Formats: sequence, C-alpha cells, structure tokens
Amino acid sequence: DVKVTQSSRYLVKRTGEKVFLECVQDMDHENMFWYRQDPGLGLRLIYFSYDVKMKEKGDIPEGYSVSREKKERFSLILESASTNQTSMYLCASNRGDVAGGYTFGSGTRLTVV
Amino acid sequence: RKEVEQDPGPFNVPEGATVAFNCTYSNSASQSFFWYRQDCRKEPKLLMSVYSSGNEDGRFTAQLNRASQYISLLIRDSKLSDSATYLCVVNPMDSSYKLIFGSGTRLLVRP
Repeated sequence: DVKVTQSSRYLVKRTGEKVFLECVQDMDHENMFWYRQDPGLGLRLIYFSYDVKMKEKGDIPEGYSVSREKKERFSLILESASTNQTSMYLCASNRGDVAGGYTFGSGTRLTVV
Repeated sequence: RKEVEQDPGPFNVPEGATVAFNCTYSNSASQSFFWYRQDCRKEPKLLMSVYSSGNEDGRFTAQLNRASQYISLLIRDSKLSDSATYLCVVNPMDSSYKLIFGSGTRLLVRP
C-alpha cells in the first residue's frame, strides 16, 4: 500500500525551539508539499519541492524552511517556533501533475507553548 | 476574496437524503478541479475529479460550470458514513502541480 508517512502524529514544543517535521513517501513522486490547516482557513501551502534540492515558496513561507536532500524525504523546519505556528501540518506528494490529485500523510498536530 | 470559497455548513441531513454542495473559484483560467473528503482528525483523501462534462461515481455526482465559475457535488441516498468535511480543490493555471483548497463544507448525516 503506497503511502506518505509523517514522523510524528502529535508534537508539543516550546516557543523558540527549532522544530523538524519529517515526511517520507514511497511512491517515487517528484513533487512534495507542506501545508498547514487551521479552522476556517483551510489548507495553506507553506513550501513545495518539485525535485531533489529544489524548493519553492508557497503562500505562507515566513518562519519556515524546508529541505529535500533525497527524493523520498521532505522536511519542514520551524527555525524558532512561535505560538501562532500551532497547527495541523500536512505533507503531500504527487507524481508530476495534478491529474491524480495528491496523496497526503496523516498529519502532525503541533502545539507550541 | 478567497480563491476558492465554500459554505462551511454544517449541512445536517437524514439518512437517504440528497444533498448538494457548491463551491466558487475566482480564477477563470483554472484548469483542474477536485473534491476531497476529510474525516475528523484525518488527512484529506481524493473523492473525485471534476470534468467539464460532469462526473458520476456511484451516489456521487460532480459538475463544473465554467461560465459561472462554480463546482458542485451531489450526494444521493446519504449514508451515515458520508459524514465528513468535503473540500473543493482547484488547480490554478500558473502551476501544473499546485492545488488550492477550499475551507471545506461539513456534512452530518443523522439516522
């Protein structure tokens, strides 16, 4: 069964900490995405990557960075966590175009205290 | 104005009812359209694509109206298991792989 795996289901971090969210896909997909989902705001794109070592900013990149050293792994980094980054973080991937939609990971619920 | 707008609901319907959701999008050049389903505390999953000619999958029918820039999802003979949030999703023309998600419409099907 093909899947996108996020390393943590729940995380609690302190303000100012550096936080790493990991995502791994086993479908050999070219594209990977990080979204955050907040009530009433829907899913908002933070960063995406269309190839190894390539990345592009999404709609809300401030306070985040990403790393894609291998095709199957896409990491989201919160350089200095803040309380307004408390959210559900969803990783997704697709093969190269949107025709088949995205496959999502099960999400990481991050709470920054 | 949001790029993709949906009525948040909730739509509260009895089992067996027919229910319809609409979604409007702002970019007239948008290319591809989808409906995703998201269960509580779960990730979104692709329900169906929306084609210009319409698309039917069992009890679910999706329609696209490019002139009015809206997409619809019709669910016939609602089941308790249809209770979820339905996300309208659009691919803008400036990207072949980026999707814009609506905030979702919540459906509650009661016995």
